[in-house]
Amino acid sequence: GQQLNQSPQSMFIQEGEDVSMNCTSSSIFNTWLWYKQDPGEGPVLLIALYKAGELTSNGRLTAQFGITRKDSFLNISASIPSDVGIYFCAGRTSGSRLTFGEGTQLTVNP
Amino acid sequence: GAGVSQSPSNKVTEKGKDVELRCDPISGHTALYWYRQRLGQGLEFLIYFQGNSAPDKSGLPSDRFSAERTGESVSTLTIQRTQQEDSAVYLCASSSATGELFFGEGSRLTVL
Repeated sequence: GQQLNQSPQSMFIQEGEDVSMNCTSSSIFNTWLWYKQDPGEGPVLLIALYKAGELTSNGRLTAQFGITRKDSFLNISASIPSDVGIYFCAGRTSGSRLTFGEGTQLTVNP
Repeated sequence: GAGVSQSPSNKVTEKGKDVELRCDPISGHTALYWYRQRLGQGLEFLIYFQGNSAPDKSGLPSDRFSAERTGESVSTLTIQRTQQEDSAVYLCASSSATGELFFGEGSRLTVL
């Protein structure tokens, strides 16, 4: 099946710092999605990407669909304590199901 | 409702009992997924339903696990003869035609 490698596995940062995480795939995807999961809740969609090279922002979050269509990154600027959680990338090719990365656990120290 | 609804939100059962978990997807969503998430772990794919196509059951960990979906509505995940290793949060998600997946809050299963 399709494989997604998400890194880093965990991050510990100070409030105010910028954060970057990424996902790479063995397959070409036509959709990349980024999710955040807070403790005790289901993952929530942050950003959806549908076109190679696309750069999309949602507040302090920015995500890009890689030109090769095999990678994507998520940046968080000026982190705040409520950014704590697990971030998942997900990708899919046309007609197939979504594949999720292993997640990045983010800890923000005040 | 407006979102994906799962029930029960919490279930405690004894080893060996059967459990049934329910998912009500977002109305009109053709795709439905079940995932298992153990404490501190990622999302483990279990099963995928897409319209009237045969479900992708490749993630089901054993024959004790099964799932059904009637048309494009409710799905039930059944675990027979539960084991302690089955303790986890079971997440359901449904997808629009564009592929954006929306998750429910999950059903937390504890097998004693």
